Amino acid sequence: AQTVTQSQPEMSVQEAETVTLSCTYDTSESNYYLFWYKQPPSRQMILVIRQEAYKQQNATENRFSVNFQKAAKSFSLKISDSQLGDTAMYFCAFMTGNQFYFGTGTSLTVIP
Amino acid sequence: NAGVTQTPKFQVLKTGQSMTLQCAQDMNHEYMSWYRQDPGMGLRLIHYSVGAGITDQGEVPNGYNVSRSTTEDFPLRLLSAAPSQTSVYFCASSYGYGDTQYFGPGTRLTVL
Repeated sequence: AQTVTQSQPEMSVQEAETVTLSCTYDTSESNYYLFWYKQPPSRQMILVIRQEAYKQQNATENRFSVNFQKAAKSFSLKISDSQLGDTAMYFCAFMTGNQFYFGTGTSLTVIP
Repeated sequence: NAGVTQTPKFQVLKTGQSMTLQCAQDMNHEYMSWYRQDPGMGLRLIHYSVGAGITDQGEVPNGYNVSRSTTEDFPLRLLSAAPSQTSVYFCASSYGYGDTQYFGPGTRLTVL
């Protein structure tokens, strides 16, 4: 069975500070892809970052970066210089065998 | 491009009624999926399709039916609505295996 675990239901961070959201996953597959999605109060799901499991280099997108530890099956998201617009629910997901599997989410609040 | 569109945005049903949630994409994506989002449970896959004429079950398929007669459309049918199907439903599409999924705005369904 494929599982995704986000152990931090809620987090908060001061504006302009850095925060890291944790994600671990479990799979016996060797070919998979990892994602972080953001869901603001508007409910729209928005891609934050994507990582190909066969690539050792960690993906980055502007203020967002990941720490991908394949052996540990860990895929954490770092948000630098946090902004008020980063306030949202964040979902970790991985894709294998034509299916996506999502974690239960971390609610992040950026405090002015 | 309109991206992924879903109709309706809100729906209230009585137990036992049937209905179809519509999903369409104009990005020529092969992969399409339906998810339900419940509080504290993240997104769970209901059904998915890897191309016109091909569908398969996800994690929670019971009570739902899908078909994919065209690349653009992927409707989700509730055969006999039950209160346990009260949820927010998302449709998503992606170009190919491992690619980013793009989500529709969601449908909030309440079954009384």
